[in-house]
Amino acid sequence: DAGVTQSPTHLIKTRGQQVTLRCSPKSGHDTVSWYQQALGQGPQFIFQYYEEEERQRGNFPDRFSGHQFPNYSSELNVNALLLGDSALYLCASSKLSGTVTDTQYFGPGTRLTVL
Amino acid sequence: RKEVEQDPGPFNVPEGATVAFNCTYSNSASQSFFWYRQDCRKEPKLLMSVYSSGNEDGRFTAQLNRASQYISLLIRDSKLSDSATYLCVVNDGLTGGGNKLTFGTGTQLKVEL
Repeated sequence: DAGVTQSPTHLIKTRGQQVTLRCSPKSGHDTVSWYQQALGQGPQFIFQYYEEEERQRGNFPDRFSGHQFPNYSSELNVNALLLGDSALYLCASSKLSGTVTDTQYFGPGTRLTVL
Repeated sequence: RKEVEQDPGPFNVPEGATVAFNCTYSNSASQSFFWYRQDCRKEPKLLMSVYSSGNEDGRFTAQLNRASQYISLLIRDSKLSDSATYLCVVNDGLTGGGNKLTFGTGTQLKVEL
């Protein structure tokens, strides 16, 4: 049973560029959340997707956008990259049952470096 | 005030020692609580959920005090393999279902020979 997968594993971009990160959830999961983890910090919630819609977002600017596909996989897009966007981007998947969401399982992350 | 506060450490302890981590959270409406473990340059992995009644998993014991908004983790008989960052995590439910995890900055543990 494959866990959460993310691609690419590493990425180097320059300021002003755009980036797309991808995530495939664990089998049986329908909800995908994205987190940003800067060096020395805990992960910060970016947003969560369910039924192809953004349910809620954290304190991140509109430069951060996402999408969820019918097969539950998801993309995170970041436009107009800043140096401060350099971080580990984590995808987590979970299963929504009624109004309760199960434990979130994390993928290995994509390490983004902005030069 | 941070939503979830932890002592960043590092905690350097000898093998076999008992070590305790503490955490406080600010949102009294938070629904569930966890400890995650994160190894260097890896993803966080769920260590255990935390309940008011206290729960134990082998050498690990977690406790929640809702009145004080305080969470703890006790590790007994520390092993070298316990060296990692321990993240205190609070689940704030979202309207209509779903959840949002709020993480502390993590407490670094180094177990030494």
